[in-house]
Formats: sequence, C-alpha cells, structure tokens
Amino acid sequence: SQTIHQWPATLVQPVGSPLSLECTVEGTSNPNLYWYRQAAGRGLQLLFYSVGIGQISSEVPQNLSASRPQDRQFILSSKKLLLSDSGFYLCAWSLQGGETQYFGPGTRLLVL
Amino acid sequence: GNSVTQMEGPVTLSEEAFLTINCTYTATGYPSLFWYVQYPGEGLQLLLKATKADDKGSNKGFEATYRKETTSFHLEKGSVQVSDSAVYFCALSDSSGAGSYQLTFGKGTKLSVIP
Repeated sequence: SQTIHQWPATLVQPVGSPLSLECTVEGTSNPNLYWYRQAAGRGLQLLFYSVGIGQISSEVPQNLSASRPQDRQFILSSKKLLLSDSGFYLCAWSLQGGETQYFGPGTRLLVL
Repeated sequence: GNSVTQMEGPVTLSEEAFLTINCTYTATGYPSLFWYVQYPGEGLQLLLKATKADDKGSNKGFEATYRKETTSFHLEKGSVQVSDSAVYFCALSDSSGAGSYQLTFGKGTKLSVIP
C-alpha cells in the first residue's frame, strides 16, 4: 500500500530564516505530487504541483519554491521566511492521470 | 474558473442527530466531486467521491449524491457520533493538462458533535 510522509511535523522559525520541508511517497512510482498551504481559519491553497522529476508548476507567486530531485521526493523551500508564511503545509500525491489526491500528515510552520 | 461553496459553520450537533453539510460548485466541464475530512492536527483524508452525475459516494455512514441539475454535492449522515467531530471539505477535480488534475476546495465546515 502507498504511504506519504512529511517532516518535520512542527517547525518554529524566525523571520528571514530559510525553510526546507520534505515529503516522500512510498509504494508507488511516478506519482503526481502537490504542495498546499492551509492558513488558520482558511481553506487550502495549491502552491505547487509536479508531474515528474524536475518538473514544477507554480500556482501562486510568492517567496516559496519547490523541487523534485527524485521520483518520490518533493521539497518545499524558502530562502527567507515571512510572517505570512505561517500555516499548515500539506503534501499530496495522486497517480499519473488520476483525480484522487491523498494527503500527508502535514507540517505546522510558525514564523516568529 | 471553478469554485466550491460550502456552508462555513461551525455546526454543532448532539450525538445521533442528522447531519447535512451543503456544497455547491461552479465548473466549466464535468468534474469529479469529493468530500475530505480533517481531524484536529492531522492531514486530509478522503471520505468519499463521485465521478459522474447521479453517482452516490458513501463511506462510514456518510453519503453524498452528485446532482448535476443543481450543481450540488451535499454531505449527509443519519446519526452522527462524537468521533465525527472534524472539519469537512468539499472539493472538485478538473484537468490541468499534462496528466494532472487540480482540486478546488471549499473553505471547510467545522462540525462539533456533543454527547
């Protein structure tokens, strides 16, 4: 069966510091991968998605970036965090050509 | 563009009460429709889905029917339990090309069930 991991689970970072969140998927090959952000009291915002290694599509212009160095690894990064980057970050995967997305446990980021 | 509108809540019900969470959508094509559930501090779990008009998705006592004529996908459960307390998200899926689909989510409805 497929599983999706995210780490760290919780992160507290000062404004201006860098960020690296990691997501890995097990039990499937060549998945589509997604990064979402859920701000407090708000819905989910799609940040990036990837249909293959090195292929990243950005949905929202911001100071975040994403990379996919391996087939089942998706990384969300920032060079300098802003207060507004605080939120709950969710990674998801789907089969190629599949509509259903499956979510990881999330990373809670607090920028102070 | 696509959009999903759901009742924002919060919704507070007594145990064994009937639940309805309304969801309507706007889409240019014929999307698939989903309900996801998020328990406190966790990620989203797929609750149920329907891929075409008049399909009924069901899981764990929850049901929702894809109504094309009213562009709706209302979530129902006949008898809620305290363990159903969570945030429920309605979503639609549409093709973004290149073998990928994008989900458009509603803002979520928080349900609290009291004993």
